[in-house]
Amino acid sequence: DAGITQSPRHKVTETGTPVTLRCHQTENHRYMYWYRQDPGHGLRLIHYSYGVKDTDKGEVSDGYSVSRSKTEDFLLTLESATSSQTSVYFCAISAGTGGNTIYFGEGSWLTVV
Amino acid sequence: AQSVTQLGSHVSVSEGALVLLRCNYSSSVPPYLFWYVQYPNQGLQLLLKYTSAATLVKGINGFEAEFKKSETSFHLTKPSAHMSDAAEYFCAVSDLCVGSNYKLTFGKGTLLTVNP
Repeated sequence: DAGITQSPRHKVTETGTPVTLRCHQTENHRYMYWYRQDPGHGLRLIHYSYGVKDTDKGEVSDGYSVSRSKTEDFLLTLESATSSQTSVYFCAISAGTGGNTIYFGEGSWLTVV
Repeated sequence: AQSVTQLGSHVSVSEGALVLLRCNYSSSVPPYLFWYVQYPNQGLQLLLKYTSAATLVKGINGFEAEFKKSETSFHLTKPSAHMSDAAEYFCAVSDLCVGSNYKLTFGKGTLLTVNP
């Protein structure tokens, strides 16, 4: 157990509505990441954070924003959900030390109808 | 930019047979390499990682992988497949330095099926 909790685990929402996914960690790790997983694409990085209020874009950041106001929480927001954002979203954390391992949460299944 | 290619989106083996899942990487700096496993409807679990120590890395559940710099490969093997090994496997690369913020780049995954 890597001490990562994602919420909600499952959500169905309508096109055009805002959605926020939450990632909570108990490890006090500096680095946090949001990935999306789609068939045939593997996992792709959406946004990441390297400290409180320090965030940056990944390779598929369009349509997403993030916030990190405290070490333990990293929020992913879809400002106006589209069907192309139907996916499984994974949060990950890393201590960033030598021999670093990145640990993943259990995932959030999002369906946009 | 780093990239990972997993050869074969689907591999099928018989129970007891050798498992070989292929991974090739591209990186401009010495890489750190990982294999993760994902069981249905679950998150990713680390199988093993290469961090520039021994080139043959042993992981959990009897899996191992060998880093071959000359071939830019990090193939995953297991001598004898079990039914419980059926899952999707992901290879990932990171240059694991502060400037990269330790981000992982993943391959597209290989679904392993084990037949009785």
